[in-house]
Amino acid sequence: AQKVTQAQTEISVVEKEDVTLDCVYETRDTTYYLFWYKQPPSGELVFLIRRNSFDEQNEISGRYSWNFQKSTSSFNFTITASQVVDSAVYFCALSLDNAGGTSYGKLTFGQGTILTVHP
Amino acid sequence: NAGVTQTPKFQVLKTGQSMTLQCAQDMNHNSMYWYRQDPGMGLRLIYYSASEGTTDKGEVPNGYNVSRLNKREFSLRLESAAPSQTSVYFCASRPPGGEQYFGPGTRLTVT
Repeated sequence: AQKVTQAQTEISVVEKEDVTLDCVYETRDTTYYLFWYKQPPSGELVFLIRRNSFDEQNEISGRYSWNFQKSTSSFNFTITASQVVDSAVYFCALSLDNAGGTSYGKLTFGQGTILTVHP
Repeated sequence: NAGVTQTPKFQVLKTGQSMTLQCAQDMNHNSMYWYRQDPGMGLRLIYYSASEGTTDKGEVPNGYNVSRLNKREFSLRLESAAPSQTSVYFCASRPPGGEQYFGPGTRLTVT
């Protein structure tokens, strides 16, 4: 079975600080996909990134960056120069097969990390 | 293009009542999913439908039934609601090889 652990339940920072959200996953499969979703106070789930298990390159998108390390089964998410609008719950998730195979892209979510950015 | 829509947005039920949560997507996706979100537990998969006419259990199916009415619609039914089913319910759909798109959620309270 798959498991995703986000050990940080809540993080509080002051605006402009950098913050890293940790995600550790467990799976026996060699092909899998990792995701990050954002859930702002309004409640909807916003897709941020998808990464497949064969691509360990780090990714940067504006103030967001992701560090994928298979050796430690981690897929950490860093927000640089945080802003109040970054306040949200962030979920890391894993699926075994995103390409329509027998797992049908089912997501296993972590518990979520509540990020509060204070002005 | 509305994406994934869910009705109702909020619902209060008494223990033992039944109800159906509706979900529809207009993106022509084959796969659809129902999750529940509880504090401190992330989202957990209740049921999914890989394609029209097929449904299968997820991690927490007990107390729920689903119907994939057509390619667009995937409903979740609570036959006899229990307080343990108080939760926020999310429907999602996914294109082949893509990420899941989520609806806005239904907040259900069972008293």
